[in-house]
Amino acid sequence: EVQLVQSGAEVKKPGESLKISCKGSGYSFTNYWIGWVRQMPGKGLEWMGIIYPDDSETRYSPSFQGQVTISADKSISTAYLQRSSLKASDTAMYYCARSHEYSNYVYVYWGQGTLVTVSS
Amino acid sequence: EIVMTQSPATLSVSPGERATLSCRASQSVSSNLAWYQQKPGQAPRLLIYGASTRATGIPARFSGSGSGTEFTLTISSLQSEDFAVYYCQQYNNWPAFGQGTKVEIK
Repeated sequence: EVQLVQSGAEVKKPGESLKISCKGSGYSFTNYWIGWVRQMPGKGLEWMGIIYPDDSETRYSPSFQGQVTISADKSISTAYLQRSSLKASDTAMYYCARSHEYSNYVYVYWGQGTLVTVSS
Repeated sequence: EIVMTQSPATLSVSPGERATLSCRASQSVSSNLAWYQQKPGQAPRLLIYGASTRATGIPARFSGSGSGTEFTLTISSLQSEDFAVYYCQQYNNWPAFGQGTKVEIK
């Protein structure tokens, strides 16, 4: 069974850094892209970027380029999303998702989400 | 940047009725269009990709159509478990989601 398990909820102060994880299992982690999607409270979905764990090739949405860093450690089948200098506006649910065989940008398996709260 | 616009924002439908959701792209995305369903407190679920191909395990009452800039998701006979928010997503360019359509019980 394919599973993506994300790290737990985070409460951060403005200016702090964040690194959340997404561990894949039940499939060959290096053969599928992992994407990250943000959902601000009560809002829609925003595509942030993707990574190919085999060679760590990354692609970022122009909206998030320079704002976040996506990485992966294929030895432990885990992808990461990092953000430094957090702001209150970074408060959101963050999802990782595995690509479909059909396209790097279509997501068939999703993590449970990591809720990030940034508040002083 | 391709902007995806969904309509209506909210759709009130009675169980057993047909629901038709629309998604418009600001420029052509060919057939590079997916639909997702999201229920409160849950991650999105892939329904349709390639504009009209149902994902594995998706009931036949869900169907997608369209190409270019105009797309439709049809739920032929709404079941109680179908009341949710639906998002379209283009992946012809940098992926972008629509703002969602909430399907609620009438």
